[in-house]
Amino acid sequence: ETGVTQTPRHLVMGMTNKKSLKCEQHLGHNAMYWYKQSAKKPLELMFVYSLEERVENNSVPSRFSPECPNSSHLFLHLHTLQPEDSALYLCASSQDSLPGELFFGEGSRLTVL
Amino acid sequence: QKEVEQNSGPLSVPEGAIASLNCTYSDRGSQSFFWYRQYSGKSPELIMFIYSNGDKEDGRFTAQLNKASQYVSLLIRDSQPSDSATYLCAVVSGYNTDKLIFGTGTRLQVFP
Repeated sequence: ETGVTQTPRHLVMGMTNKKSLKCEQHLGHNAMYWYKQSAKKPLELMFVYSLEERVENNSVPSRFSPECPNSSHLFLHLHTLQPEDSALYLCASSQDSLPGELFFGEGSRLTVL
Repeated sequence: QKEVEQNSGPLSVPEGAIASLNCTYSDRGSQSFFWYRQYSGKSPELIMFIYSNGDKEDGRFTAQLNKASQYVSLLIRDSQPSDSATYLCAVVSGYNTDKLIFGTGTRLQVFP
């Protein structure tokens, strides 16, 4: 496995469900990110982890809960989501000193019914 | 005012022409600037970065930066249909250097 992999690639969930998105990077990077991409909007930074510590929480609702157990893995736990949370969720990694040079995974397309 | 502004397009150019993509940003403290390409249904990939005023060339791509005017541009020479994609401009925030701020992207169409 190389690069950044995300699972699942597609997810449909009801508003009362609990699910998790998973991201794994094989690049030896020490920073990982969650971004949200919605139609007609710029990529929105949600969370940043550097050396497994959260360094950014960009005013994200508490129904999104990140977890970074080690420098290679990142999770986004989802619960009681709203239909407006439907979007493409992108995981990325970088070397800590180069936050602009991101390597993205293929994304998880989330639909909330 | 948006932090990073791009014309959404589409920008249509014929094959072989030069495509010029522009981006303006609001944070005067920003020091690092990036261009990402995103094909339809795919994730963004980094194609260029520039830190200093002036031009930076990489193959058919040239990034141009003018910090005084707060704009950054991407030129694609000898455009190919395979260059058809959305191009995202991104800027590292001057006050929060962990934060990369993206524009909404410009859709480029190169027709044969």
